[in-house]
Amino acid sequence: GQQLNQSPQSMFIQEGEDVSMNCTSSSIFNTWLWYKQDPGEGPVLLIALYKAGELTSNGRLTAQFGITRKDSFLNISASIPSDVGIYFCAGPPITSGSRLTFGEGTQLTVNP
Amino acid sequence: NAGVTQTPKFRILKIGQSMTLQCTQDMNHNYMYWYRQDPGMGLKLIYYSVGAGITDKGEVPNGYNVSRSTTEDFPLRLELAAPSQTSVYFCASSYTTRETQYFGPGTRLLVL
Repeated sequence: GQQLNQSPQSMFIQEGEDVSMNCTSSSIFNTWLWYKQDPGEGPVLLIALYKAGELTSNGRLTAQFGITRKDSFLNISASIPSDVGIYFCAGPPITSGSRLTFGEGTQLTVNP
Repeated sequence: NAGVTQTPKFRILKIGQSMTLQCTQDMNHNYMYWYRQDPGMGLKLIYYSVGAGITDKGEVPNGYNVSRSTTEDFPLRLELAAPSQTSVYFCASSYTTRETQYFGPGTRLLVL
């Protein structure tokens, strides 16, 4: 299947620090999605990106759709304890139709 | 709207038993999906459906079956449970392929 490489796998930061994570693929994507999963819950969409080069913000979160269409970045500014969770990138590779491929996730821990 | 609901929340099965995981959405979405999430991993697509009466295999369909007799319901059937099927199962739905997928709370399945 299609592979999404998400990094880093885990991050341990202090409250107030900024966070960056990214996803790369060998395939071209038409859409990039960033989800957050809290423990014991299903993933919840944070940001959706639909155009190469697009930069979109949602509060303290900012995501970008890479111009090559093979990568995406998520930044979280001034982290707070409730940012703890697993962040997943996802998208439908151009050849997959409606089928999403998910990255392996970035586990974020924020120390107060 | 209740969104995407899943039952049961948790189940223990013996090897060889069968069960059906229920998924219902009340958003009139055409697309519905079943994923499994193994510990520390991303989500893998099991089956998906683009509308009532239409289903297709995802990345890891072996050992599972689905049906889509109505727009609202998309049950997942395990016929002969195996320990390898121990996982958390998420159902999701979306209106179109470019729309975001909304996830249910998950069903935790343990096969012993």
